[in-house]
Amino acid sequence: RKEVEQDPGPFNVPEGATVAFNCTYSNSASQSFFWYRQDCRKEPKLLMSVYSSGNEDGRFTAQLNRASQYISLLIRDSKLSDSATYLCVVRDFYGGATNKLIFGTGTLLAVQP
Amino acid sequence: GAVVSQHPSRVICKSGTSVKIECRSLDFQATTMFWYRQFPKQSLMLMATSNEGSKATYEQGVEKDKFLINHASLTLSTLTVTSAHPEDSSFYICSASAAIARHNEQFFGPGTRLTVL
Repeated sequence: RKEVEQDPGPFNVPEGATVAFNCTYSNSASQSFFWYRQDCRKEPKLLMSVYSSGNEDGRFTAQLNRASQYISLLIRDSKLSDSATYLCVVRDFYGGATNKLIFGTGTLLAVQP
Repeated sequence: GAVVSQHPSRVICKSGTSVKIECRSLDFQATTMFWYRQFPKQSLMLMATSNEGSKATYEQGVEKDKFLINHASLTLSTLTVTSAHPEDSSFYICSASAAIARHNEQFFGPGTRLTVL
């Protein structure tokens, strides 16, 4: 079983649509959770951290369910510029090494005009 | 702030040659640098973690004699792919972290695309 699992997509949605991505992680001791965005042939960039209480940043809302080991990202009013691969990322805890990031394979979003 | 550069951005080489990739933190001192590899349609996979002045810690399955990492200063880490072969063709990305960074955030370089012929 992969440590971080995501639906690879692609998700093809029209502009203005609302789209949701899900992610599950296997290590219950995981410390921190993030969504990154990666454009084609570029490095990943931090989109937002995910907090237990849920958090929102403009059109983006992230949720975390520790009991189910499940993370989600909701994008409202999709823009063409949102087209990218969205990476679910977990920071694991390995005997004191708290800065190891585990990346999911990503979910590809294509927003259509 | 928190800019990380990589050089070169792209390299094409013949099988058997060695390739060195540099990763620099431009405006902060990176206590830790990470090297990742990403094959097409796959996730970023951590190869190794390096702390300035000490030996790198390699992930399981990554050959330390093939992927040489040097972290000689707080702003520079290098990855040398020795005797590169076509299966080493990949997107290599470094990241840097500073102890003072919020949540130990990692800042990623723009990546180096290696093609071995």
